[in-house]
Amino acid sequence: TQLLEQSPQFLSIQEGENLTVYCNSSSVFSSLQWYRQEPGEGPVLLVTVVTGGEVKKLKRLTFQFGDARKDSSLHITAAQPGDTGLYLCAGAPTGTASKLTFGTGTRLQVTL
Amino acid sequence: DSGVTQTPKHLITATGQRVTLRCSPRSGDLSVYWYQQSLDQGLQFLIQYYNGEERAKGNILERFSAQQFPDLHSELNLSSLELGDSALYFCASSADPHGTGNEKLFFGSGTQLSVL
Repeated sequence: TQLLEQSPQFLSIQEGENLTVYCNSSSVFSSLQWYRQEPGEGPVLLVTVVTGGEVKKLKRLTFQFGDARKDSSLHITAAQPGDTGLYLCAGAPTGTASKLTFGTGTRLQVTL
Repeated sequence: DSGVTQTPKHLITATGQRVTLRCSPRSGDLSVYWYQQSLDQGLQFLIQYYNGEERAKGNILERFSAQQFPDLHSELNLSSLELGDSALYFCASSADPHGTGNEKLFFGSGTQLSVL
């Protein structure tokens, strides 16, 4: 079983602060996805990173895939209350017919 | 709105009972996935169907079964329910025909199952 550990598990910050969420594994992934889940809803895909070392930006969110494709990070600049939610990373193992493995999740709360 | 519809939104039942959860995928998506989300286990993959055929199995108990119908909607059947089966059950769909794991998943809003 390929496990994805996310840290921190919980994060409570004030509006305007910066934060980084980490997603780590001992396994290599062919790609890695980040989702955000809000209460009462299903996860929504934010980004997919495919190449080792790849950096993708989505407004105030910056996603990075580790060089060895075993880890990823999500950095949020100037967090806003609308960023509140559960952030999940999901890795696609190498090889075919393998399913996405979801991380343990980071619950973020941004207060005014 | 992801385009994936799940019913019912909430389900309360007793131990030993059997329930059916229903999912309609996004228009045109042939793949349907079922996931279970609980506080202690996170989001766990249960099973995938592609165009009516079972494509992959994850951590699905023998008491659980699923199927995908010709109109592509899917049902997840949970039987002999136990307290520990209480969780959020999500359906997701994807247009990816290869099942490689790189597919983009679109999730429904889930069914909250409470077993009392």
